[in-house]
Amino acid sequence: KQEVTQIPAALSVPEGENLVLNCSFTDSAIYNLQWFRQDPGKGLTSLLLIQSSQREQTSGRLNASLDKSSGRSTLYIAASQPGDSATYLCAVTGGTSYGKLTFGQGTILTVHP
Amino acid sequence: NAGVTQTPKFRVLKTGQSMTLLCAQDMNHEYMYWYRQDPGMGLRLIHYSVGEGTTAKGEVPDGYNVSRLKKQNFLLGLESAAPSQTSVYFCASSYSMNRGETQYFGPGTRLLVL
Repeated sequence: KQEVTQIPAALSVPEGENLVLNCSFTDSAIYNLQWFRQDPGKGLTSLLLIQSSQREQTSGRLNASLDKSSGRSTLYIAASQPGDSATYLCAVTGGTSYGKLTFGQGTILTVHP
Repeated sequence: NAGVTQTPKFRVLKTGQSMTLLCAQDMNHEYMYWYRQDPGMGLRLIHYSVGEGTTAKGEVPDGYNVSRLKKQNFLLGLESAAPSQTSVYFCASSYSMNRGETQYFGPGTRLLVL
């Protein structure tokens, strides 16, 4: 059974700092990995999707990497801003449940001015 | 486009009552999903549908039923609500299950079962 773990569970940083969120998964037979953002009381918004054949994806200040063989992904946020404060969720598709997302528990990020 | 919408936004039920959560999408997506989100548990898949008239069980289907009579709607039913079903319910949809496709999520329904 696929399991996804995110570290740390919570992170508080001052504005302007670069930061890294970590995600690991137990079954490397994935089809893709996604990073989502969730604001309090809101739904999920997809930030980046990395297909299994790719090593990284970039969008603005966000960069996500994927090392499928070791079962790890990182989300790098450059020059953090208070507006980046949210919960970040990692999810994988594939392995033993093709097409269905398996989520980690999320990292709660707080960026203070 | 409204994207994925969910009705209602919030509901309080007493144990044993029934209710239906409605999910609607206007993106002509084939695939639709129901998840529940609980503290410390992340999101878990309840049921999903790969097209109109089809449904399948996810990770935690017990106590729930679903129907996909129209392509744009996916209904989640609770026949006899239990306090363990207190949660935030999210609906999602996607064009396909291909590796390059993301899922689009609704804003969620908060359900409290007393």
